[in-house]
Amino acid sequence: NAGVTQTPKFQVLKTGQSMTLQCAQDMNHEYMSWYRQDPGMGLRLIHYSVGAGITDQGEVPNGYNVSRSTTEDFPLRLLSAAPSQTSVYFCASSLLGASGGQGTDTQYFGPGTRLTVL
Amino acid sequence: AQKVTQAQTEISVVEKEDVTLDCVYETRDTTYYLFWYKQPPSGELVFLIRRNSFDEQNEISGRYSWNFQKSTSSFNFTITASQVVDSAVYFCALSEWGGSEKLVFGKGTKLTVNP
Repeated sequence: NAGVTQTPKFQVLKTGQSMTLQCAQDMNHEYMSWYRQDPGMGLRLIHYSVGAGITDQGEVPNGYNVSRSTTEDFPLRLLSAAPSQTSVYFCASSLLGASGGQGTDTQYFGPGTRLTVL
Repeated sequence: AQKVTQAQTEISVVEKEDVTLDCVYETRDTTYYLFWYKQPPSGELVFLIRRNSFDEQNEISGRYSWNFQKSTSSFNFTITASQVVDSAVYFCALSEWGGSEKLVFGKGTKLTVNP
């Protein structure tokens, strides 16, 4: 298994440009999430999905859109990039396990995308 | 609302010292999960441990050990005989039971282990 993959690894945008950060997982995980990491802030949840066709907002959703048409993919769209969106973006996935069994209910993260908005 | 506090922003130790990273959490849920992740200088997030709220048994994995105390809402992480390779940022996180898609993270503790 490749696990969680993210592309691109690095991206530089100009203010106002749009782009899509790609995230894919091959573990058949129901849950997928996007986080952003800023210096001194830890990771903050942007959007999440509990299955194909179902998405919801996290703590910091403004300026981002998501959709989930398949179990494997969960792209994050920046509609009009702003310097405040300069950050490292992490995608994660997890397998639902109501009994809390090993390997379930634990998010595994992709390698991250470092985005700079000028 | 859930909250995770890692009061230690940075810790510096000399190799072979023991070090404890503190984590205090707040939640109204009666069942929840607690996690520790490691972020080495290369930047990836590495899962270390998940603890269920109803299991207060301490856990040891090699040089790593975790002390979960529900009475004080703490989930501390100890590295015994630290090594330079332990240098990283360590994050404590919390999720509701069955809600692993919504992790709440602390701000992290940067550990530097000097030779």
